[in-house]
Formats: sequence, structure tokens, C-alpha cells
Amino acid sequence: EAGVTQSPTHLIKTRGQQATLRCSPISGHTSVYWYQQALGLGLQFLLWYDEGEERNRGNFPPRFSGRQFPNYSSELNVNALELEDSALYLCASSLSIRQGAFYGYTFGSGTRLTVV
Amino acid sequence: AQSVTQLGSHVSVSEGALVLLRCNYSSSVPPYLFWYVQYPNQGLQLLLKYTSAATLVKGINGFEAEFKKSETSFHLTKPSAHMSDAAEYFCAVSDPLNFGNEKLTFGTGTRLTIIP
Repeated sequence: EAGVTQSPTHLIKTRGQQATLRCSPISGHTSVYWYQQALGLGLQFLLWYDEGEERNRGNFPPRFSGRQFPNYSSELNVNALELEDSALYLCASSLSIRQGAFYGYTFGSGTRLTVV
Repeated sequence: AQSVTQLGSHVSVSEGALVLLRCNYSSSVPPYLFWYVQYPNQGLQLLLKYTSAATLVKGINGFEAEFKKSETSFHLTKPSAHMSDAAEYFCAVSDPLNFGNEKLTFGTGTRLTIIP
């Protein structure tokens, strides 16, 4: 069974540009979560999607946005990039309680975004 | 809002010694609790989880954790440390009152160093 896949692995952008990060969940998982892991700041919750809808959003500015597609894959967009957006962006997926069980998250390996 | 505290951002133990990583949560309702491990430049891997069944939970790689409601704790232990245990460990807690246990809040992490 394929795990959570994220692309690209590394991304280098210039300040002010836009970045698009992609995530494919484990087959059968309908929930997708995005976290930012900046150096020394732990995991900061960004977004949670389930069944194509945004369920919850973390304390990030509106230039961080995303969506979930009908096949449950997801995209994270970061507009007007700033230097402090440089971080490892982690995607995770899970079954939902609505599906009958929640066993925690399975994480992808992340996308390392560097803003120069 | 749910919160989780990991005491000690860095822990060093000798190879073969006991590993103890501390995690305390704040919740009036017993949450789900998780421990994840992160190796350099990788995503997070689930070590073990507590989802309201047995209070002593056994995970992978010889780790275990005990849920203690009276102490609001979920400390991670391993009887004998191995060099391959060197990594960063994250405790995570669900939010049963607001998100039906599906949204996790992560601690700031504990970096475990093993001394040969």
C-alpha cells in the first residue's frame, strides 16, 4: 500500500512568488491535514480538509490556502512568499470517525520550501 | 483549546539506559494521545497511540507509554536505549470537545541523543 506522497520534495522560490505543494493521501483516507514545521517552532497546524471541504484552519494569514480534490488529494498554495515561509511542509492523512474509525495520522515525507 | 507540553527539548541517555520522554496534556475530557518519531529530513512516523482502551500502550521499536488520567500524562519509555533511537519525538493530543478527536495538537518535540 502506498503511503502519503508529497511533491515536490524540494522547492526554491523567490520572495513574492507563489508556491504550490501537492499531497496524495493513503487510499481510502478522506481527511488531509497540512502542517508547517519551521526551524525551532515545532509543528504548526495549517489546514484540515475532509470530503472536499475545509474543516478547520490554523492561525495563518489568508495567503496560505488550499483545496481538496474529488479523489481526496490536496494542494497547498502559498502566495506572496516571505522569507519566514521557509520550512518543511508536512501533509498527513487519516480515516475519519465518520468512516467508523480514527487511528491517527499517517505523514508524508514533506516538501522543503526555501524562500530566497 | 487543547494543549500538550513536552518537558525537556533535549534528552541525552547512554546506550542501554532507560529512555523517559515526558508528555502532559490539558483536557477536561480524556483525549486520544499519540507519540510520533521523526528522523532527520523525514516525516513523522507513528510510534503508538492511546484511544481509550488499555492504559498501557505498546508501540513499535520497544517503546511503550502509560496513560495516567490523574496526572494528565502520557510519558514514553523504553527500557534500553539503542543508537538507532536517536531522533526527535513528538507527543500529540486530540481535541474531543471540539473536533471529535480528529484534530491533533503537537508538542514542541524532544530531541533524543544516545551516548555510546
